[in-house]
Amino acid sequence: AQTVTQSQPEMSVQEAETVTLSCTYDTSESNYYLFWYKQPPSRQMILVIRQEAYKQQNATENRFSVNFQKAAKSFSLKISDSQLGDTAMYFCAFMKYNTDKLIFGTGTRLQVFP
Amino acid sequence: GAVVSQHPSRVICKSGTSVKIECRSLDFQATTMFWYRQFPKQSLMLMATSNEGSKATYEQGVEKDKFLINHASLTLSTLTVTSAHPEDSSFYICSARDRLAGGRVDTQYFGPGTRLTVL
Repeated sequence: AQTVTQSQPEMSVQEAETVTLSCTYDTSESNYYLFWYKQPPSRQMILVIRQEAYKQQNATENRFSVNFQKAAKSFSLKISDSQLGDTAMYFCAFMKYNTDKLIFGTGTRLQVFP
Repeated sequence: GAVVSQHPSRVICKSGTSVKIECRSLDFQATTMFWYRQFPKQSLMLMATSNEGSKATYEQGVEKDKFLINHASLTLSTLTVTSAHPEDSSFYICSARDRLAGGRVDTQYFGPGTRLTVL
């Protein structure tokens, strides 16, 4: 069975600074997808970024980038130039190839301070 | 953009009663919808996968007779919590997969969730 672990329950960062959220996962699969989702106070889940395991290049979406280390089964999220609107719960998620099932980590609560 | 709505957003009911939660895809067709449960300050746990026109597939440990799922159309799935008890109090979130998205895996769109409180 796949598991996703987020070891940082809470993080804080000052506005305009950079913060990195950690995620590790355990799987015996070779083909899979990894995601970071954001859940703001409104509780609406929003996809931040995704990574296909077969791609060596780290995914980037504007201020959000990942450090994907397949051998180490690590998938961290870096948020650059943090903004107040980035305050939210962040969930790392795993999806086995050819399925729709998302397995979520326990989440990291990020607080961005002015 | 793709929008998924849930109704109601909040519901309070008495123990022993049944509650129905609706999940709608507003501007796309969803052959597959997913129901998650989220306890306070915890992660989302997949409860079941709902496919239009067929029976839902439940995750291990989820009582299918307690959590009835119906996906009667390409835009609507319902979750009915039958004979609700206080331990069923939780935040229930649905997501929907865009039928036309083909193989894209990032095409799950989430609803805003429904907070159920059972007294």
